[in-house]
Amino acid sequence: DTGVSQDPRHKITKRGQNVTFRCDPISEHNRLYWYRQTLGQGPEFLTYFQNEAQLEKSRLLSDRFSAERPKGSFSTLEIQRTEQGDSAMYLCASRLGLAGHNEQFFGPGTRLTVL
Amino acid sequence: AQSVTQPDIHITVSEGASLELRCNYSYGATPYLFWYVQSPGQGLQLLLKYFSGDTLVQGIKGFEAEFKRSQSSFNLRKPSVHWSDAAEYFCAVGAYNQGGKLIFGQGTELSVKP
Repeated sequence: DTGVSQDPRHKITKRGQNVTFRCDPISEHNRLYWYRQTLGQGPEFLTYFQNEAQLEKSRLLSDRFSAERPKGSFSTLEIQRTEQGDSAMYLCASRLGLAGHNEQFFGPGTRLTVL
Repeated sequence: AQSVTQPDIHITVSEGASLELRCNYSYGATPYLFWYVQSPGQGLQLLLKYFSGDTLVQGIKGFEAEFKRSQSSFNLRKPSVHWSDAAEYFCAVGAYNQGGKLIFGQGTELSVKP
């Protein structure tokens, strides 16, 4: 399967701990997006990359959040000093090309639970 | 600011019945419009999209949607629902020249009665 993969699928952590999630996009997709989805809500945009460059960050992405995409391949999303409000599903998506209507392919997500 | 409203949080239909899920958007120009489906434990899957041309678009799994500019709507329809269609459905809008990020509605959960 050559779809978008995310690791881990589930993460339980204690408040104050740091966590890191990984996303492997579809190869040759130059755009990579991170979204956050809380229970009963639609996904909310966090940030996106074009190749290795991070081009936009949402106001939702506080200073405790950082994302990277070294070499324009996989991406990581790190949350420092986690809070209970960070509990959510973190979704990664990738897309080919610059056209705004190109389909974004989503991974299965990483479900974070902060105790 | 762009926004998407899905007025129905939860809909129940009988298997074989027709389905319409509502979506209204707010955007200053013609947006790109998408419908995604999310099943438990699965990622979002694209059902269909509209970006130009014919306002009635066909998608996968027998779904279609109609873009109505005058009503700022992009409702999803299916003539005959199958039990496997039970899932969460999300309408999303993407804006020209904004990097392709999507703004999602809050979703409509579809239940199918036998």
